[in-house]
Amino acid sequence: QVQLVQSGAEVEKPGASVKVSCKASGYTFSSYDVSWVRQAPGQGLEWMGRISPYKGNTKYAQKFQGRVSMTTDTSTSTAYLELGSLRSDDTAVYYCARDYGYSFGIWGQGTLVTVSS
Amino acid sequence: QSALTQPASMSGSPGQSISISCTGTSSDVGHYNLVSWYQQHPGEAPKLVIYEVSQRPSGVSSRFSGSKSGTTASLTISGLQAEDEAYYYCCSYAGSGTLVFGGGTKLTVL
Repeated sequence: QVQLVQSGAEVEKPGASVKVSCKASGYTFSSYDVSWVRQAPGQGLEWMGRISPYKGNTKYAQKFQGRVSMTTDTSTSTAYLELGSLRSDDTAVYYCARDYGYSFGIWGQGTLVTVSS
Repeated sequence: QSALTQPASMSGSPGQSISISCTGTSSDVGHYNLVSWYQQHPGEAPKLVIYEVSQRPSGVSSRFSGSKSGTTASLTISGLQAEDEAYYYCCSYAGSGTLVFGGGTKLTVL
């Protein structure tokens, strides 16, 4: 079946970087964009950006410009989110989602990233 | 971009209908027919219930419907059921490949 499986929870110190993976299966990975969405504890959803696996094109939300990087490895059907210069308010569940026509029909299970000294 | 505006909470009794509003601007909701809605139960990933303003994905109950007027989109749930109790988020394309979410609405089924 079509699914996105994300890597496990991470604990990082302020100022560090974190890299989260999202492995796709059940569909042609390069045919759909992948977006990343995060949700801080008790808060709403926040779109971070998207990547096209086919062309490698990225678009980041202005808020994260300069400290976010989204990449893909088409040989393993995996998308990656790397966020640097971590702060305590980056503590959140990070989701990848299959992006088709600017809507998200398939979601990963989420990865909790905790930023704490 | 600023987040889209949703009511923080709404409630309804089983069998009733409710509509959740999502207000944006002429640069997002008002400009594109690319509004989607997501249902999220606590501890779970969001689930798509409406895309492109009013389209329902396969497998989503026909009790869910969407519409738009000007800069405000709406999600209507008819025949409320206990299982509909969840958070609901709207999302709109905002141009230049970007998206913006609403703040979310907590729906309580009384």
